Amino acid sequence: DIQMTQSPSSLSASVGDRVTITCRASQTITTYLNWYQQKPGKAPKLLIYAASSLQTGVPSRFSGSGSGTDFTLTISSLQPEDSATYYCQQSYSSPYTFGQGTKLEIK
Amino acid sequence: QLQLQESGPGLVKPSETLSLTCSVSGGSISSNIYYWGWIRQPPGRGLEWIGTIYYSGSTSYNPSLKSRVTISIDTSKNQFSLKLSSVTAADTAVYYCARRIGSYAREIDYWGQGTLVTVSS
Repeated sequence: DIQMTQSPSSLSASVGDRVTITCRASQTITTYLNWYQQKPGKAPKLLIYAASSLQTGVPSRFSGSGSGTDFTLTISSLQPEDSATYYCQQSYSSPYTFGQGTKLEIK
Repeated sequence: QLQLQESGPGLVKPSETLSLTCSVSGGSISSNIYYWGWIRQPPGRGLEWIGTIYYSGSTSYNPSLKSRVTISIDTSKNQFSLKLSSVTAADTAVYYCARRIGSYAREIDYWGQGTLVTVSS
């Protein structure tokens, strides 16, 4: 299985801050990398697919980049509603594994 | 708007079989564009991919669960199902059904709300 490692595991930032979350794959996954946002008690929501494509309806402050083994999710100007846990997922080869999650809190 | 809804027992005894059904509305499960799958999340932990099924019945399972998992599809009812046998407390989790895009990025674009299944005697 491909292992996905996210960093940091948690972070705290202020409204308006630029936030970056990193995801690293244990082998190359080209751009088969997706990002999800999960709020407590809710199902995950797709934010970014194919490493950098913004899902319809997702605010443009979210962006993704990377290829190969290293990827980033960036929130350009943090909003209160962005408090959530963020997961990366590789869809290069089955099983389509997830990172362990990054919990983002608003100061 | 596509909707997925999980249903099934919320409590299962150890060594028994967990059975869940996902009912799909607002779209056809027989589309050749999508795969249908199950993901689970133990309380307070991360997401684990269980497996997927295509409308034709072709399946793909997580090797860590393969010996215990069966995913099936009923196109006449627009439903698909999960069976997990010989459950233990480690199988306690929120179980999500989901739709995966069949090509390009193969992302999950729709999720059910999730259902908590507790394994306990």
